[in-house]
Amino acid sequence: DTAVSQTPKYLVTQMGNDKSIKCEQNLGHDTMYWYKQDSKKFLKIMFSYNNKELIINETVPNRFSPKSPDKAHLNLHINSLELGDSAVYFCASSQGRGGRGEQFFGPGTRLTVL
Amino acid sequence: AQRVTQPEKLLSVFKGAPVELKCNYSYSGSPELFWYVQYSRQRLQLLLRHISRESIKGFTADLNKGETSFHLKKPFAQEEDSAMYYCALSGRAAGNKLTFGGGTRVLVKP
Repeated sequence: DTAVSQTPKYLVTQMGNDKSIKCEQNLGHDTMYWYKQDSKKFLKIMFSYNNKELIINETVPNRFSPKSPDKAHLNLHINSLELGDSAVYFCASSQGRGGRGEQFFGPGTRLTVL
Repeated sequence: AQRVTQPEKLLSVFKGAPVELKCNYSYSGSPELFWYVQYSRQRLQLLLRHISRESIKGFTADLNKGETSFHLKKPFAQEEDSAMYYCALSGRAAGNKLTFGGGTRVLVKP
């Protein structure tokens, strides 16, 4: 199946822990993104990478660090997790640079911080 | 700064009735507008984009630059249209990032 995949699907952890979410796309796209969807379903971009280069970095706490080992992967590492980090995190990819083309989304990772 | 506003959090209509989801935006320049949809237990996916001028699943949306709107319409709603709908905007003036509205949940009752 050609798609954007994320692991894990669910993540429950304690405050203060460090966790990672992985994302992979096999669509051959150049650009990948991380979005956060809060409890009110509001969806906001966090980061974007184009060919392993960071091109969008919204106002996100520096506890969040994206890493792109190659253009098919964009992982999200979160240090010192806080209650407010509980959300659904979506990875996405698109062909070309920036958000002007269609974006293809992963299934989401529901993070719950206790 | 670019902004997308979807004033209705929830729209409830009966099957066969028309449905219109409102989307207003603020942007200085030429925006590219999209509607994304998320059906229950499925991932977010593109429904349509203004440059395509297509009708997808019976939905249409017209970009009105004068009113800065991109409302989504369907003349006869079906139960399978029940989903979460997001209006989104992108443009060079804001680094080509995609900005989403707050979303509108559509519930089509039988």
